[in-house]
Amino acid sequence: KAGVTQTPRYLIKTRGQQVTLSCSPISGHRSVSWYQQTPGQGLQFLFEYFSETQRNKGNFPGRFSGRQFSNSRSEMNVSTLELGDSALYLCASSLAGRVGQPQHFGDGTRLSIL
Amino acid sequence: AQSVTQPDIHITVSEGASLELRCNYSYGATPYLFWYVQSPGQGLQLLLKYFSGDTLVQGIKGFEAEFKRSQSSFNLRKPSVHWSDAAEYFCAVTYSGGGADGLTFGKGTHLIIQP
Repeated sequence: KAGVTQTPRYLIKTRGQQVTLSCSPISGHRSVSWYQQTPGQGLQFLFEYFSETQRNKGNFPGRFSGRQFSNSRSEMNVSTLELGDSALYLCASSLAGRVGQPQHFGDGTRLSIL
Repeated sequence: AQSVTQPDIHITVSEGASLELRCNYSYGATPYLFWYVQSPGQGLQLLLKYFSGDTLVQGIKGFEAEFKRSQSSFNLRKPSVHWSDAAEYFCAVTYSGGGADGLTFGKGTHLIIQP
């Protein structure tokens, strides 16, 4: 069974640009969550999607948005990029998104802002 | 707000020695606790989880963890570490309350294995 796939693995952007990251969950998983990982703040929850609806959102500005498609694939968009957005962005999927269900992580997209 | 504390930023252990990584979580009615491991350049791999029942849980790669409600702790242990265990370890928590709230992670413990 294929794991969570994130593309691209690496991205370099400049300030002010926007970026879209993609996540394909494990087959059959309907919940997709996104996390930001930085050396200073650690791992922080961005948002979670289930059945194409955002169910939960962390404490991030509106520049961070996402969506989920009918096949459960998800995209995350960051607009007006800032230097502080440089991070590893991790996607995780779980079967039905119930509390406590284990989340399975992809290898992440490393985003660097110049 | 829920929180997780991993008091040790770095831990150095000799190969073959025992290991204990500490984790304390903020109080919650029914915590769901996890330990993940992250190798350089990779995502997080689930080692084990605790939801309810037996407070000593077994995971993959020979790891185990013990839930102690009175101490709000969920420490990870391994009897004998291998060089391949060198990695970053994260403790995470979420609580019952409906829906799939995001995991709250600790800052991580970097494990170094000495030959």
